[in-house]
Amino acid sequence: DAKTTQPPSMDCAEGRAANLPCNHSTISGNEYVYWYRQIHSQGPQYIIHGLKNNETNEMASLIITEDRKSSTLILPHATLRDTAVYYCIVQSGGSNYKLTFGKGTLLPVNP
Amino acid sequence: DTAVSQTPKYLVTQMGNDKSIKCEQNLGHDTMYWYKQDSKKFLKIMFSYNNKELIINETVPNRFSPKSPDKAHLNLHINSLELGDSAVYFCASSQEVSPNQPQHFGDGTRLSIL
Repeated sequence: DAKTTQPPSMDCAEGRAANLPCNHSTISGNEYVYWYRQIHSQGPQYIIHGLKNNETNEMASLIITEDRKSSTLILPHATLRDTAVYYCIVQSGGSNYKLTFGKGTLLPVNP
Repeated sequence: DTAVSQTPKYLVTQMGNDKSIKCEQNLGHDTMYWYKQDSKKFLKIMFSYNNKELIINETVPNRFSPKSPDKAHLNLHINSLELGDSAVYFCASSQEVSPNQPQHFGDGTRLSIL
């Protein structure tokens, strides 16, 4: 499975956009980029995923670079409830599509 | 309606006991998973079942035995509990075994071994 690299933590003010980077330079052509988050004392929550194209849903936007070696998760207007650890994961078909979680990025949203 | 539900939410028991954790999903998904999150907060896959058949078994001790009576349920039985089994166990499900299908998680079972 391709490895991902994320900053251990970032700062974000309430109401501002949060841009969370992820590096996945060894990604293969058939591997998807997934983003999950884990709010304290809860299970991981699916946010968004993509293969090549940028994606947007009601929670966030996912920007994948043309060479697919990195991506950015964008929360357009962060709220206090977005405080969580955010995980960027590359999902490989060769491993029966299991998710391999790293350490993620801690995003405290400050008032 | 809770999509993926686990019971119990908290489980406190003594070393050497046998315990079970239950998981049910009402999403109509074919694939279910068990993950373990240890004290350092690392989440690791343990098992995966697709249509009641085991497809992933990640070097988990034999004391852990998953059972899937039907597609909507995946239970985890643990024999002879050890101190190192203390962790949060998460159940998840996905529509099918596909890289284009997200997994949906329950809120976890917090297991504490005394």
